[in-house]
Amino acid sequence: EAGVTQFPSHSVIEKGQTVTLRCDPISGHDNLYWYRRVMGKEIKFLLHFVKESKQDESGMPNNRFLAERTGGTYSTLKVQPAELEDSGVYFCASSQGWRLAGGHNYEQYFGPGTRLTVT
Amino acid sequence: SQQGEEDPQALSIQEGENATMNCSYKTSINNLQWYRQNSGRGLVHLILIRSNEREKHSGRLRVTLDTSKKSSSLLITASRAADTASYFCATRETSGSRLTFGEGTQLTVNP
Repeated sequence: EAGVTQFPSHSVIEKGQTVTLRCDPISGHDNLYWYRRVMGKEIKFLLHFVKESKQDESGMPNNRFLAERTGGTYSTLKVQPAELEDSGVYFCASSQGWRLAGGHNYEQYFGPGTRLTVT
Repeated sequence: SQQGEEDPQALSIQEGENATMNCSYKTSINNLQWYRQNSGRGLVHLILIRSNEREKHSGRLRVTLDTSKKSSSLLITASRAADTASYFCATRETSGSRLTFGEGTQLTVNP
């Protein structure tokens, strides 16, 4: 079974440009999460999808970040315009389970991350 | 201090020795999970322990959870050079589904 995949693995862009990160969760996983780790700090939650709906987006830093999950399969995270402080590693994770069933005790499986460098 | 704070920040041991890492947290949790990240790679899920569990084993890993002290420990027995990595604890609060990570412990196992 394929794990969580992310594309690209690395991205180097200039300040002010736009970047779109993609995440393909494990097939059949309703829950999809985005996290990021900036400059050696702790990994921080960004948002959570259940299928195509945003369940929790309280971790999104500002309106320059837009996440979508059309059709409830893969997700994209767009940063527009990118700023220097957006540099870091962006992780995607998925887990099985549906909100009504809690899904709280299911492991989150992480992708390899996308390393974003904004210069 | 942060939720899911690991201790120590760095640990260096010899192959064959045991490694113990600790994690403290602040809020009520549903479960606590440990992850490993090898340099430049993604996070690998190691083990999940639920709030009503006190100890769990998986291979050379042993995890304990003390909800009264809001702390957890990860023990790696008979360590190997391949265990060299960063280890993170992550808590899932009772009120949500997000994971809250600590800053991690960098473990170095010398051959």
